[in-house]
Amino acid sequence: GEDVEQSLFLSVREGDSSVINCTYTDSSSTYLYWYKQEPGAGLQLLTYIFSNMDMKQDQRLTVLLNKKDKHLSLRIADTQTGDSAIYFCAEIPNAGGTSYGKLTFGQGTILTVHP
Amino acid sequence: NAGVTQTPKFRVLKTGQSMTLLCAQDMNHEYMYWYRQDPGMGLRLIHYSVGEGTTAKGEVPDGYNVSRLKKQNFLLGLESAAPSQTSVYFCASSPIGLAGAGNEQFFGPGTRLTVL
Repeated sequence: GEDVEQSLFLSVREGDSSVINCTYTDSSSTYLYWYKQEPGAGLQLLTYIFSNMDMKQDQRLTVLLNKKDKHLSLRIADTQTGDSAIYFCAEIPNAGGTSYGKLTFGQGTILTVHP
Repeated sequence: NAGVTQTPKFRVLKTGQSMTLLCAQDMNHEYMYWYRQDPGMGLRLIHYSVGEGTTAKGEVPDGYNVSRLKKQNFLLGLESAAPSQTSVYFCASSPIGLAGAGNEQFFGPGTRLTVL
């Protein structure tokens, strides 16, 4: 079955880089996502990567994908206190019309940014 | 454009009571989902719908029922609440499309439910 794993906690100082890691098991996943959840709110899509890419950059965010090891990471450069949140990686297993967009989420990584 | 809204925001139930959570979206999305979020477990899919009048089971459907009588609304019912159903419930919607940005899920703000 599908399984997505993340470490639960990460603490960094303001201005440092944060790296959040994720591993997944479904080799047929073609899209992988990073969602952000701020306190008391729902999830918002941060970025996504297609499986034929190994890197995607979007302003302060860099996503790295190692498909061989089924490892995904999210790097946040110049981390700010406003980046404190829970970050979820997610996959659509067996992506395509029959998946109906169903996501499998990791447990979430709580990022705490200290001034 | 309100996006995805959920009512109520908070609720406390006694064991055995019933309730319905309402999700509404104004983006004309075909797909809608109900998740529960528990500490250290991420989000788990309860039920989902691929269009008006359709529903399907997700990963953890037991103890819940759903209905999608109108495209914009997706209702989650608990017929006889149990303490194990204490959780934060999120509704989401997405448009039909190829996986990727076209399948971005838009989330509501959540309903915090406590069952005593």
